[in-house]
Amino acid sequence: QKEVEQNSGPLSVPEGAIASLNCTYSDRGSQSFFWYRQYSGKSPELIMSIYSNGDKEDGRFTAQLNKASQYVSLLIRDSQPSDSATYLCAVRDPNYGGSQGNLIFGKGTKLSVKP
Amino acid sequence: DGGITQSPKYLFRKEGQNVTLSCEQNLNHDAMYWYRQDPGQGLRLIYYSQIVNDFQKGDIAEGYSVSREKKESFPLTVTSAQKNPTAFYLCASSMGWGNGNQPQHFGDGTRLSIL
Repeated sequence: QKEVEQNSGPLSVPEGAIASLNCTYSDRGSQSFFWYRQYSGKSPELIMSIYSNGDKEDGRFTAQLNKASQYVSLLIRDSQPSDSATYLCAVRDPNYGGSQGNLIFGKGTKLSVKP
Repeated sequence: DGGITQSPKYLFRKEGQNVTLSCEQNLNHDAMYWYRQDPGQGLRLIYYSQIVNDFQKGDIAEGYSVSREKKESFPLTVTSAQKNPTAFYLCASSMGWGNGNQPQHFGDGTRLSIL
């Protein structure tokens, strides 16, 4: 099965800094990419999706995709203590689970934002 | 409110017992999924269903069973054959299978423990 790799962290940044979270994936055919935030003891919530090469911005969040390098990242600007959570990268595998594919999740990167 | 409702929030299983986790959605989503999450681990797919009366095994289906008799409901039974059931169980759903850009949305999860 295809793989999605993330640095488990913890990644520690000071409040107000930019947090950079990275994800690599093994299947060149993947076309859809998602970032989820999971607070401790809670379920994942979708924060960003990206499908085309380049950057996609939504508020303090920017997703970056480079399909040639098989790399997707999430930047969090002006990090806040409330951003402290585990961030899961998910990649749709077009060859697994039907015509459009199931999501393959990375194990997540734990982010800690220090006041 | 539209959403995905999982119940119960906490569940305890006795040895040799089957237990059923409920998942109901009112988002009119076609596809539904069950994941298992162990501490420090990513999400692992147990079963998924694209349409009513059809479902497929995921990566770790052994010891689990599902049904999809209604579009809104996708219950998961953890059977006595699952020897290590202690985990956080997450139900998710997504819109029509034909569009690979559709993200999955999660319920609040059920924590299952062995008595």
